[in-house]
Amino acid sequence: QKEVEQNSGPLSVPEGAIASLNCTYSDRVSQSFFWYRQYSGKSPELIMSIYSNGDKEDGRFTAQLNKASQYVSLLIRDSQPSDSATYLCAVEGVSGNTPLVFGKGTRLSVIA
Amino acid sequence: DVKVTQSSRYLVKRTGEKVFLECVQDMDHENMFWYRQDPGLGLRLIYFSYDVKMKEKGDIPEGYSVSREKKERFSLILESASTNQTSMYLCASSIGGAGGSYEQYFGPGTRLTVT
Repeated sequence: QKEVEQNSGPLSVPEGAIASLNCTYSDRVSQSFFWYRQYSGKSPELIMSIYSNGDKEDGRFTAQLNKASQYVSLLIRDSQPSDSATYLCAVEGVSGNTPLVFGKGTRLSVIA
Repeated sequence: DVKVTQSSRYLVKRTGEKVFLECVQDMDHENMFWYRQDPGLGLRLIYFSYDVKMKEKGDIPEGYSVSREKKERFSLILESASTNQTSMYLCASSIGGAGGSYEQYFGPGTRLTVT
C-alpha cells in the first residue's frame, strides 16, 4: 500500500515570506507527483506537476523533487493571505492507470 | 479548460433513502473517480472507472455502488443512506492509459447530510 505523508500543520507564515510544504512517499518507483490547493469548503485544484528530479517553477510556486530521498516539496514565494489553504500532495498509484495516492494535506495560514 | 460538474452542491436526505450523485465531465476523459472527504481523514477513494461499464472498488466501497453507462457520466449511488455517510463527495476525472497515473481534475463537490 503506497503511503504519502504530509505534516497536517497549520503552517503559519507572515505575508511576503516563503512557505515550504513537504511531502514524503513510500514507493521508490513513483514517477509522477502533483500538488493541489484546496480552499475551505471547495474542491482540490491542481497547481503543479513534476516528473523529474530538481526544481520546476511556475510563477510564485516552485515544486522540488528528490527521488532518491523520496521527497517532494512546494515552495510559495512572496506568500499572500490568499494562499491560505490546504495543500495536498499526490503521487502516482501502484501501477499504470491507477488512481493517484493523496496525502491528507498541510494547512497553510498566511498572516497579514 | 477541463470541466467536471456535479448535480448538487448541497443535499439533505433521510436515513434509509436511496441517493444518487451525478458527475459529468466534458473532456472525453477515460477515468472517473468518486471520493469522500472528512475532516482529519483526507480524501478516501470509494470507486473508480477506467471505461464505460467498468468499475473498480476503491478503499471504502461498502454502502456505495456506481454506474457508468456513458463515458462522460459517472454516478454514485447510496443504496440506503446512513448518518455515517454524511460527508463531502468529490468526483474527479483524468485521461487514462497504461503509462502511469495522470492528473485528476475535480468537480465542485456535493455536501451530503443524512438525517
